[in-house]
Parts: sequence; structure tokens; C-alpha cells
Amino acid sequence: GAVVSQHPSWVICKSGTSVKIECRSLDFQATTMFWYRQFPKQSLMLMATSNEGSKATYEQGVEKDKFLINHASLTLSTLTVTSAHPEDSSFYICSATRDILAKNIQYFGAGTRLSVL
Amino acid sequence: SQQGEEDPQALSIQEGENATMNCSYKTSINNLQWYRQNSGRGLVHLILIRSNEREKHSGRLRVTLDTSKKSSSLLITASRAADTASYFCATVTFSLIQGAQKLVFGQGTRLTINP
Repeated sequence: GAVVSQHPSWVICKSGTSVKIECRSLDFQATTMFWYRQFPKQSLMLMATSNEGSKATYEQGVEKDKFLINHASLTLSTLTVTSAHPEDSSFYICSATRDILAKNIQYFGAGTRLSVL
Repeated sequence: SQQGEEDPQALSIQEGENATMNCSYKTSINNLQWYRQNSGRGLVHLILIRSNEREKHSGRLRVTLDTSKKSSSLLITASRAADTASYFCATVTFSLIQGAQKLVFGQGTRLTINP
């Protein structure tokens, strides 16, 4: 169990458009979801922590209006990159924690590669 | 900010050999975890070691933790070509605001197992 699905896996868009990435926990309820960004051959940088039914908490330096996060249900969180520009091109990964007892472990989606032309 | 520093950044060994990766961190932790990432994919949790534990095993994996030196090591024994991936350590900090455990990842070690 503990499967996290992320969609789409790859998206190419024109500069100025908005892109929505979905993160779903398929077989468990995720009270907390996390969004990361990863540049080639680098580590993951936490962008924001998302709790169901409340506003996301963004890490320092991450623009809230640029990266809109919605966690409307216990199984779905979305990240919208608004007015995307080439510098937003990156690998975006979501993760989810399963429950209070297992909060130490995060289950990751397969990632979304965003290319902005 | 990235707390963990991993050593080496890249490691290439022959199949069957053991692979050792090290991780150092700076602050107090609740626990330390190791994750694996295949190229262009998400991360997979491998093993978790709590701050009061010194060593833990899982199959061909052996993890040690030295809280006095703020360091951890991951040993993969009898490596296989399928072990080729990037390996990240992650330290866990607790956020009072979210009530969630945030992971802070190290820079990772790119492991290549040559057949």
C-alpha cells in the first residue's frame, strides 16, 4: 500500500501559461502532502507543506502567488505553476504522509518534468 | 536549506562489491532516513533509523547513526546492477506549525554498479 500518483509525468508549455500538477494518494488518506522541486543532478528542495483544508505553508523564497497549492481533500493536492517561464522548468515531486503513526515516512509520486518554452 | 552533506557525490563499483555512502548533518534530529531515486523518478523510502538507535539492517542494507558526530552511513552489500540509482539521506525536523515532519535532504550520492 501507500501509493502516490502524480500527473502528468511530463508537460511542455509555452511561456506565460499556467500548468497544474496533481498529486493523489491512491490507497490511503494523506493529511499532509509536500511539494518539492529538483534541478538536474541536485537534491530535492522543499517548496511547501500542504495540509488538507488549510492553506499551504511555503518555504522561504518560494512565491505563493507563483506556485498555488490546493489541498482540497485527504487524497488530492494540486500545484499550479502560474504564468510559467523558462526558469520554472524543473522536476516537481510530491509526497504524502500516511497517518499520525507513520508520519515519519513520506511516500513519493513519480514526479513531473516541466519544460517551459 | 539542505542540511545533509553526502559523501561521495558519485560512486562507481563492480557488481558484487559493497557500496558505502556517508551523510553528515548539522542539527538535532528525530530520525534519519535513506531514500533511493532512479533517474527521472520519484523517491522510494529505504530505511529509517531513530536518534536513539545506532545500527539497523534491512536485507542487504545496513545503516549506522552516530549522533555525537552527526553522521550516518548506508552500506549496500553484494551490490547488483539494479542498485544503480541516487541515494539520499534525509533528516527529520518537526514543525510545530504544521504538526508534520519535514524532510531535509542531503545532496545525494549517485551510485553506479558496473556489471
